[in-house]
Amino acid sequence: AQKVTQAQTEISVVEKEDVTLDCVYETRDTTYYLFWYKQPPSGELVFLIRRNSFDEQNEISGRYSWNFQKSTSSFNFTITASQVVDSAVYFCALSEADRDDKIIFGKGTRLHILP
Amino acid sequence: DAGVIQSPRHEVTEMGQEVTLRCKPISGHDYLFWYRQTMMRGLELLIYFNNNVPIDDSGMPEDRFSAKMPNASFSTLKIQPSEPRDSAVYFCASSLGTGTYEQYFGPGTRLTVT
Repeated sequence: AQKVTQAQTEISVVEKEDVTLDCVYETRDTTYYLFWYKQPPSGELVFLIRRNSFDEQNEISGRYSWNFQKSTSSFNFTITASQVVDSAVYFCALSEADRDDKIIFGKGTRLHILP
Repeated sequence: DAGVIQSPRHEVTEMGQEVTLRCKPISGHDYLFWYRQTMMRGLELLIYFNNNVPIDDSGMPEDRFSAKMPNASFSTLKIQPSEPRDSAVYFCASSLGTGTYEQYFGPGTRLTVT
């Protein structure tokens, strides 16, 4: 069965520090997709990134970077030089291409950036 | 382009009353998803539609919940009768394709059943 584990329930860091959010997934499929979503205090979920299982290249977008490692079934998210506006709940999610259309979300990591 | 639109944003109702939540997906998106978010259970998929047809409603908690999508631009999630344990934030999301595509979420409806 597919599963997404975000072991860090809550993290607090001081502004300008780097922070990494962990995501470990389980799947039996060889073709799958991984996602990260951000849920700021306003409540709506915002899509950040999608990766497919055949693309292990790390991705960087501004202060955000993602490290995809199939060997450890992990898809970690790093924020460099964190800012207060990064405070949010971050969700990792998994979808298997062969198994209908669902996305399975992790429980989320609540990130507090302290000024 | 407008994003996913949900109404109402907040709903407070008494136990036993009927509640209807509404969603307008992004134009051109063939898939529509209804989720429920609670502190205890996190984000749960309730039901999703493809081209207005319900595909999987296995996440609907019980018969008190029903969802419809009469056309490509409108969907409803109805709870009748409502119970206090239905209190949650309900999200609607839409996407261009299957779960392999990113989903775009609405702002959510915060439902409180007293």
